[in-house]
Amino acid sequence: DPKIIQKPKYLVAVTGSEKILICEQYLGHNAMYWYRQSAKKPLEFMFSYSYQKLMDNQTASSRFQPQSSKKNHLDLQITALKPDDSATYFCASSLASNERLFFGHGTKLSVL
Amino acid sequence: AQSVTQPDARVTVSEGASLQLRCKYSYSGTPYLFWYVQYPRQGLQLLLKYYSGDPVVQGVNGFEAEFIKSNSSFHLRKASVHWSDSAVYFCAVRGGSAKLIFGEGTKLTVSS
Repeated sequence: DPKIIQKPKYLVAVTGSEKILICEQYLGHNAMYWYRQSAKKPLEFMFSYSYQKLMDNQTASSRFQPQSSKKNHLDLQITALKPDDSATYFCASSLASNERLFFGHGTKLSVL
Repeated sequence: AQSVTQPDARVTVSEGASLQLRCKYSYSGTPYLFWYVQYPRQGLQLLLKYYSGDPVVQGVNGFEAEFIKSNSSFHLRKASVHWSDSAVYFCAVRGGSAKLIFGEGTKLTVSS
C-alpha cells in the first residue's frame, strides 16, 4: 500500500504541451521533494518544500513549477515540454528537512 | 561542491558470493551518507545511512557499509547475496541542506 502516490505512472506528451505530475503523501511528513532521473544520468534534485514553502530550487528552467495546494501535496507543472524533459520524475517526502527521504514510484514522462 | 562517484556501472556476482559496491564522495564537511536501492519500476528505498559514530553501519537485508573518512569512501557490502538483491544501488551524500546528491548508480545482477 504505497504511502506516496504519484499519478500518472506513465505519461506521453507532445513537444510544446503542458503537463502536471501529481504527488500526494500520506506519511504525515512536512517536507516534500522532486527528483528527476534521466537516462544515463544520476538522480537530480529539483525542488524541496517544507511546510508548503519552497526551500531549495536547483532547476534552472522556469518551465518547471511546483505547486503545493495542501501540506501533503506537491505537484509539478511542466510547460512548453521538450524531448529532453523525458525522464522519470520522483516525488519524495520526509518528516523534517533533515530526515530520511521516502520515495514514490515515479512518473515516467516521454516527450515526443 | 558535493559529488558522489560510483565507479562500477554494472556488477555481476554469483548467488551466495560476497559483494562490495564502491562509493566515493566529495564533501568538505561532515557528510551524511546513504545507500538506496531501486527495484524495477519502483521508487528508491533506503538501505542504510551514516550520520556519525560507529563507521560500520548495518542496514536492511544483511547489508552494511563502512565510512572511511581518510579515503572519502562509503562502500556497501554483503556477505552472501541472494538473487532478489538484483537491483540498482545508489550512493548519496547530503550536506547542510536537505538536498541529496546521488551517484550514477550500480546495477547489480546476481546470477544463479
